[in-house]
Amino acid sequence: EVQLVESGGGLVKPGESLRLSCAASGFTFSSYSMNWVRQAPGMGLEWVSSISSGSSYIYYADSVKGRFTISRDNAKNSLYLQMNSLRAEDTAVYYCARDDLYCSGANCADAFDVWGQGTMVTVSS
Amino acid sequence: SYELTQPLSVSVALGQTARITCGGNNIGSKNVHWYQQKPGQAPVLVIYSDTNRPSGIPERFSGSNSENTATLTISRAQAGDEADYYCQVWDSSLYVFGTGTKVTVL
Repeated sequence: EVQLVESGGGLVKPGESLRLSCAASGFTFSSYSMNWVRQAPGMGLEWVSSISSGSSYIYYADSVKGRFTISRDNAKNSLYLQMNSLRAEDTAVYYCARDDLYCSGANCADAFDVWGQGTMVTVSS
Repeated sequence: SYELTQPLSVSVALGQTARITCGGNNIGSKNVHWYQQKPGQAPVLVIYSDTNRPSGIPERFSGSNSENTATLTISRAQAGDEADYYCQVWDSSLYVFGTGTKVTVL
C-alpha cells in the first residue's frame, strides 16, 4: 500500500524550532519529488516547499523562505522539514505529498497524488 | 505573486450539477489541478491538467480551462461530494492553491 506518515508535530513557543518527518512506503521514494503543504485551522491549503527526487531542485514559499529547510534521505525513504524561528502564523496541520507527473498526450504537469494524514504544529506562548 | 480566486461556497441540489470556478490571470495557459478535501481528511486529487480524471475518480467529475477561468463540474451531485475543493497551478517555481470552495449538497 502506498503510504505517507508524518510525525514530529507538537506545541512550541514562538522563536523555537521543530523538525517534521514523513515516512514513505509502498513506492520507490527516490523516484519522486516531494512536497510539504500546510493548512491553518479553518483555512485553506498553502504549499510550503518542494524537493526533487535527487534533492537538486528545492523551492520554498515566500512565507517560509530563510526559516524552513526541506531535505530528504532516499536511503531511509524519508522527507524532512526543519522549521526554525517559528511564528504563531505557522500554526497548521502539515501534510507531506508525493509529486507525480501526469500526462495528457504531450501535455504533462506535476500533481500531488498521494498525501499523508498530517501532523499538527502549534506555535503559542 | 500569482493568485487563484474561488467562490467561498457553492450549493447544489442532490442529483443536480455544481460548477466551481477558479479565476487567475491567463489561467488558460496553465495546467490546473483540482483537489477534494473532506472534513478531517487529507486532500484527494480529482482532476489533473484541466480535464483529466485519475483512476478511481467518478466520471461525474470533469474540468475545463479557458482564458481567465478554470471550472470543476460535478454532475449528478451526491451527498458524498460535500467537501472543500481547491484548484492548483505551478507558476514561477511555486505551487499556488486557490482559496477553496465549500460545496454543500442540499
